[in-house]
Amino acid sequence: KAGVTQTPRYLIKTRGQQVTLSCSPISGHRSVSWYQQTPGQGLQFLFEYFSETQRNKGNFPGRFSGRQFSNSRSEMNVSTLELGDSALYLCASSLFGLALVSYNEQFFGPGTRLTVL
Amino acid sequence: SQKIEQNSEALNIQEGKTATLTCNYTNYSPAYLQWYRQDPGRGPVFLLLIRENEKEKRKERLKVTFDTTLKQSLFHITASQPADSATYLCALVLYGNNRLAFGKGNQVVVIP
Repeated sequence: KAGVTQTPRYLIKTRGQQVTLSCSPISGHRSVSWYQQTPGQGLQFLFEYFSETQRNKGNFPGRFSGRQFSNSRSEMNVSTLELGDSALYLCASSLFGLALVSYNEQFFGPGTRLTVL
Repeated sequence: SQKIEQNSEALNIQEGKTATLTCNYTNYSPAYLQWYRQDPGRGPVFLLLIRENEKEKRKERLKVTFDTTLKQSLFHITASQPADSATYLCALVLYGNNRLAFGKGNQVVVIP
């Protein structure tokens, strides 16, 4: 079974630009979560999508947005990039997401390394 | 404020010894606690999950304990090998909240 794939793997942008990152979950998984990882803050939750609906959102400004398509693929968008947005962006997929009733393991992709100059 | 604390200093350990990592949390009431392994340039890989009503969980050479009174989890790697060198992250799954809250990770270096 193919793992979680993220594209692109590396990206360089300048301040003020916008960027779209893509995540393809494991086949059959309906939940996709996005995380930002930086040396200073560690891994921080951005949002989770399940069956095309955003179920939860972390404490990030509105410049960070996402969506999920009917095939469970997900994209996240960051508008008006700032230097502080430089980070590794990770997505994780699971069968049912983080619902406590039927918890399922999350599988992470390799991440997209975003550098903002 | 809510915190998940892991030792920021790398743990250097001789091959064959047991590595023990600590995860302390404050102002959280997790339903589950998980441990992940992360290698440089890669996403985290799930290792173990322990529920709030479980004291201990084992998987091969790995052992996790969870003390909700102390608000602490211990992660042990027995008979450590150089291939165990990585960063280990603890994460909390929170009640009523579909998210994982991660610690910043603790690097382990196993010396041959």
